Amino acid sequence: AQTVTQSQPEMSVQEAETVTLSCTYDTSESDYYLFWYKQPPSRQMILVIRQEAYKQQNATENRFSVNFQKAAKSFSLKISDSQLGDAAMYFCAYRSQQSGGANSKLTFGKGITLSVRP
Amino acid sequence: GAGVSQSPRYKVAKRGQDVALRCDPISGHVSLFWYQQALGQGPEFLTYFQNEAQLDKSGLPSDRFFAERPEGSVSTLKIQRTQQEDSAVYLCASSLGTGGFYEQYFGPGTRLTVT
Repeated sequence: AQTVTQSQPEMSVQEAETVTLSCTYDTSESDYYLFWYKQPPSRQMILVIRQEAYKQQNATENRFSVNFQKAAKSFSLKISDSQLGDAAMYFCAYRSQQSGGANSKLTFGKGITLSVRP
Repeated sequence: GAGVSQSPRYKVAKRGQDVALRCDPISGHVSLFWYQQALGQGPEFLTYFQNEAQLDKSGLPSDRFFAERPEGSVSTLKIQRTQQEDSAVYLCASSLGTGGFYEQYFGPGTRLTVT
């Protein structure tokens, strides 16, 4: 079974600064997807960024980028030029590349609460 | 277009009551997932449908939990004889296809409080 660990329960960042959120995972599979989801207070979860394990290049989406270290099973999220709207709970998640049945589910970490100081 | 919708958004039930939570996925989405999110925790998988077929129900915590998707679109999660430990947010997600490539789109959730 796969596990996802987010060991930092809370982080704080000054507006316009950069912050890095950590995530580690454990799996015996070689092909999989990793995700960062954002869940603002009382609002629905949205996908921030996705990384395919077979790709060596780290994914980027505007101010969001990841540092994917496959051998170390580490997947951190970097948020540059932090904005007040970035304040939310962030979840790291794993999904098998195989399709169907139990392989289709997302396995989430416990999440980290990010606050942004004006 | 419309996203995933869930109803009710909030539900208060007395211990022992039965509840039914509804999920309307994005039109045309083949896959539908239910997750349970306890306060301050990450979502945990409950069950998965591909069209009307329930392919995985390994995450359902007890036989009091039952889910259906009879026509391959709307899904209902039913909890019988609710207990306090059932208090959580229940999230529904849908995706266009069945593989890991396809993004899961989440609904706003139903917050269930059992008193």
